[in-house]
Amino acid sequence: QKEVEQNSGPLSVPEGAIASLNCTYSDRVSQSFFWYRQYSGKSPELIMSIYSNGDKEDGRFTAQLNKASQYVSLLIRDSQPSDSATYLCAVRTGGTSYGKLTFGQGTILTVHP
Amino acid sequence: SAVISQKPSRDICQRGTSLTIQCQVDSQVTMMFWYRQQPGQSLTLIATANQGSEATYESGFVIDKFPISRPNLTFSTLTVSNMSPEDSSIYLCSVSTGRNEQFFGPGTRLTVL
Repeated sequence: QKEVEQNSGPLSVPEGAIASLNCTYSDRVSQSFFWYRQYSGKSPELIMSIYSNGDKEDGRFTAQLNKASQYVSLLIRDSQPSDSATYLCAVRTGGTSYGKLTFGQGTILTVHP
Repeated sequence: SAVISQKPSRDICQRGTSLTIQCQVDSQVTMMFWYRQQPGQSLTLIATANQGSEATYESGFVIDKFPISRPNLTFSTLTVSNMSPEDSSIYLCSVSTGRNEQFFGPGTRLTVL
């Protein structure tokens, strides 16, 4: 089992819809969770971090964390063509509050007009 | 967030040669990381570089192949030694801030012929 797994893509949604990206992780003691957006030919850009169970909202983005189910998701409301990118889930494993991240394989999102 | 620069942004190298990649941060950071992103793949951590100590390498990566320097709190280098075409990849520097979030530099795109 991979340490961090994301739902297989690519994911295609119409403009204005909600895009739902999912991620599961295997290390039960993980404490910190991150979503990165990566445009083609660019480096990853941090868009959300979440540390506690529940929802965290930032503009059109909502991250959801359920540690009991070892599951973290990212919702993008009112999706725009500019949201088309690869979304990477990252988990800080090992139960520490610092140190290395383990990345999922990424989900390619396409928002079509 | 931190402002991170990398040099070179891209290079084309011959098999058997070495390339040193530089990473500069605009503020002092404790932890710096080097990642590799092969074409169409997610990010894989090569090593963690802390100032004043030897770099910590992940499984599958060795110091002879990827020597790292960390002379101060704002700078690090990664050398890719004795290159082969399999080393063609994007190499990314990242830093961990006081909030334990990681931010990435723009990356170095390496092609080995």
